[in-house]
Amino acid sequence: EDKVVQSPLSLVVHEGDTVTLNCSYEVTNFRSLLWYKQEKKAPTFLFMLTSSGIEKKSGRLSSILDKKELFSILNITATQTGDSAVYLCAVVRGSRLTFGEGTQLTVNP
Amino acid sequence: DSGVTQTPKHLITATGQRVTLRCSPRSGDLSVYWYQQSLDQGLQFLIHYYNGEERAKGNILERFSAQQFPDLHSELNLSSLELGDSALYFCASSVATSAHTGELFFGEGSRLTVL
Repeated sequence: EDKVVQSPLSLVVHEGDTVTLNCSYEVTNFRSLLWYKQEKKAPTFLFMLTSSGIEKKSGRLSSILDKKELFSILNITATQTGDSAVYLCAVVRGSRLTFGEGTQLTVNP
Repeated sequence: DSGVTQTPKHLITATGQRVTLRCSPRSGDLSVYWYQQSLDQGLQFLIHYYNGEERAKGNILERFSAQQFPDLHSELNLSSLELGDSALYFCASSVATSAHTGELFFGEGSRLTVL
């Protein structure tokens, strides 16, 4: 059975801090890994990672995948209160996305 | 706004009842996915349709069924409802035939409460 484990489950930081969110997985026939941000309702897409060692970057967010060690990290630098959300990691096999439980990030002013 | 529309936004019903959740994908997207998000289980994949055909099934109960119509909207039917079916049901769409080739866009979800 596919398994995705995210850590930590929750994290409280102050504005300006840098955070690293972790996602490890056990998936047969792995195709790609996705990161989503869920604020109030709908998850919104952040990154899709398919190749090891290639960093994807978008503003203060960046992510990288290690297919040998079966994990990915999501970094957020200079955090802002607007970064407060649940960050979801999902691995893709065919049509199926298997999600982790998410990391609840709270950024305090 | 992702462009994916789900109705109703909230629904309260009793055990044993049947409900239908509706999803209109983004214009041009042929794939529709249904997910269930409950407090203790996170986001669970239910089913995927592509251009009217079922492509993959996940952890969908036999009491649940779905279909995608020729105009590409999709409905998720939940019957013989139980308390444990209370959850947020998401629909997502993509232009791709499967999840690994394209980004999924999620609707705002339908919050189902079974009393």
